Amino acid sequence: NAGVTQTPKFQVLKTGQSMTLQCAQDMNHNSMYWYRQDPGMGLRLIYYSASEGTTDKGEVPNGYNVSRLNKREFSLRLESAAPSQTSVYFCASSEGSGRAEAFFGQGTRLTVV
Amino acid sequence: KQEVTQIPAALSVPEGENLVLNCSFTDSAIYNLQWFRQDPGKGLTSLLLIQSSQREQTSGRLNASLDKSSGRSTLYIAASQPGDSATYLCAVKGGADGLTFGKGTHLIIQP
Repeated sequence: NAGVTQTPKFQVLKTGQSMTLQCAQDMNHNSMYWYRQDPGMGLRLIYYSASEGTTDKGEVPNGYNVSRLNKREFSLRLESAAPSQTSVYFCASSEGSGRAEAFFGQGTRLTVV
Repeated sequence: KQEVTQIPAALSVPEGENLVLNCSFTDSAIYNLQWFRQDPGKGLTSLLLIQSSQREQTSGRLNASLDKSSGRSTLYIAASQPGDSATYLCAVKGGADGLTFGKGTHLIIQP
């Protein structure tokens, strides 16, 4: 009954370091998403993958790259971390139709110092 | 660009009260609207999903309504309990991309 699983749960990076946030879902969903949550800003979409093999930019894509590795996995990469990328990152998935319910992971709390 | 607003930003009420959380959105061309609950330091838990063709959905003590033409939704919580304390988020889906979220209502139920 895992749903959407994100790793790691917490991470501290130094400015300029790189890292990859991992996300996997076991619900056979077609669509996957990455959001960031900042105080006073709400959740904002970074990138999404409407189906396996496709990725598209969301509202705040700068400084990030994504890979839809297969139907289950969608990773988010920070090539050169900046303090402005300190945030809580959430991965989500949905069946893929416009009417489908979205399910979220537990989040990754990232601090860039 | 779709914008979602939630009012009030924070609410504190005694246990047992019925309460209403409000959500408004600027573009009525949506597929659905979803209400989530978020506990401190945790992920988002889906509470209710209302399709654009529906007027309301119910789950236990929760009832959500949708008036798509006026761009409004309400989440009604009956007989509130301290365990209902959390941040409640409203989000709308307008296309193949993701959800557009409001900033949430921080709810405290006093024992």
